[in-house]
Formats: sequence, structure tokens, C-alpha cells
Amino acid sequence: GAVVSQHPSWVICKSGTSVKIECRSLDFQATTMFWYRQFPKQSLMLMATSNEGSKATYEQGVEKDKFLINHASLTLSTLTVTSAHPEDSSFYICSARGGATNEKLFFGSGTQLSVL
Amino acid sequence: AQKVTQAQTEISVVEKEDVTLDCVYETRDTTYYLFWYKQPPSGELVFLIRRNSFDEQNEISGRYSWNFQKSTSSFNFTITASQVVDSAVYFCALSDGGYQKVTFGTGTKLQVIP
Repeated sequence: GAVVSQHPSWVICKSGTSVKIECRSLDFQATTMFWYRQFPKQSLMLMATSNEGSKATYEQGVEKDKFLINHASLTLSTLTVTSAHPEDSSFYICSARGGATNEKLFFGSGTQLSVL
Repeated sequence: AQKVTQAQTEISVVEKEDVTLDCVYETRDTTYYLFWYKQPPSGELVFLIRRNSFDEQNEISGRYSWNFQKSTSSFNFTITASQVVDSAVYFCALSDGGYQKVTFGTGTKLQVIP
């Protein structure tokens, strides 16, 4: 079964609203979580890396105020797309790293965001 | 810097044919991990395999097999007797030994025609 749960699977929202995506590690403590974005027919691009209890590290070109990442516990990270616009429509995927020696890395099932 | 190249953008095969998906990587790390993921039309990433840089043994799992060759920095994936359900986008990925960053290739779209 899935070891990383990502919700929702898909969301449609109006332009200007905020959307929160959750990523949970189910049977291990995730010291680090990663958030990716995937445009249609393209590869996954790393947006940010978050370590539990500290601020996320964003990749170049990713707006921190636009994509708020919270990693308050070892099993949960959230990505909030603030004031979403149609150009934010994309597929977002999280991954979680953990285990006794950080040997585990699993991906969530992704969230398709459509902003009208 | 890490780089993963999947030169094949799209491949079409007829059912039951064998198909090999190529993956070439670049890294300066001595310890690293290589992955293959399957992304069916529904979008979720399905983990297929993880291989560390110290293990060059080829691996077979059912109809899937992987050929890891450090000498050519390649980690190719072969599907034997392909089936329609194998139709998907396949991503090869590379991470450093500590999973600080995972770099994905651009993916290969495989279409298996009945």
C-alpha cells in the first residue's frame, strides 16, 4: 500500500483563492519532504525542500510567498498555493524521505490543480 | 551537477514485443541512487526500482529488468513481452546518497499497441 498519502488528488478552484495540499508519510517519520511540480508532458521539477521544524528551501525561480510550505511534524507537510491563478494549474507531487538512516524515499500520488 | 538524460521521448511497440528504455546519468557523487518510476495516465508515480551506486548487479522482476553499467553511466530498463497496461510515461531519476535532491529525466512515453 501507499506509504505517502497526498490529498486531495485533484482540486478545482477559482482564481484568487488559496489551495492547500497535504502530504503525509504513513509508516515512517519523514525528516525531509520534497515538493515537485509537473507541467503537462514534462518532467518533475523540484520546487522546494522542507525539513521538519525549519523553513523550506526553495529552488531558484519559485516564489516563496506564492507557494507556502509547512512541515510542522515528522509525518505531515503542506503546500499552500496562495491567490491561485490559472498559470498555477499544474500537477503537484510530494515525496518524503525518512527511515532510520534516511534510506526511504517515496512519492505521493500527486494533486492535479486546476485554477479557473 | 546532476543530470539525467532519457533520449527517447516516445516509443511505440506492438504488444508482446520487448522494449528497452534508455537512461544516461551524470553525477560527481561517488554514492548515489538511481530510480525508475512509472506514471500511468492517471498521474500517480509508481515506484519500480531503486539501485545504489555500489550495486551493479542486474535485476529482474517479472517482465521487468534493469541493466546498470557504471562504465557508461547508464541504467536501462527493459520490459519483456510488453502489455497494453505497460503504456505510461517512465521516468529515470538520480539522487545523491543522502537524498538531498532527486533529479528526474524528461521521461519516455511508452505506448503498447494491442
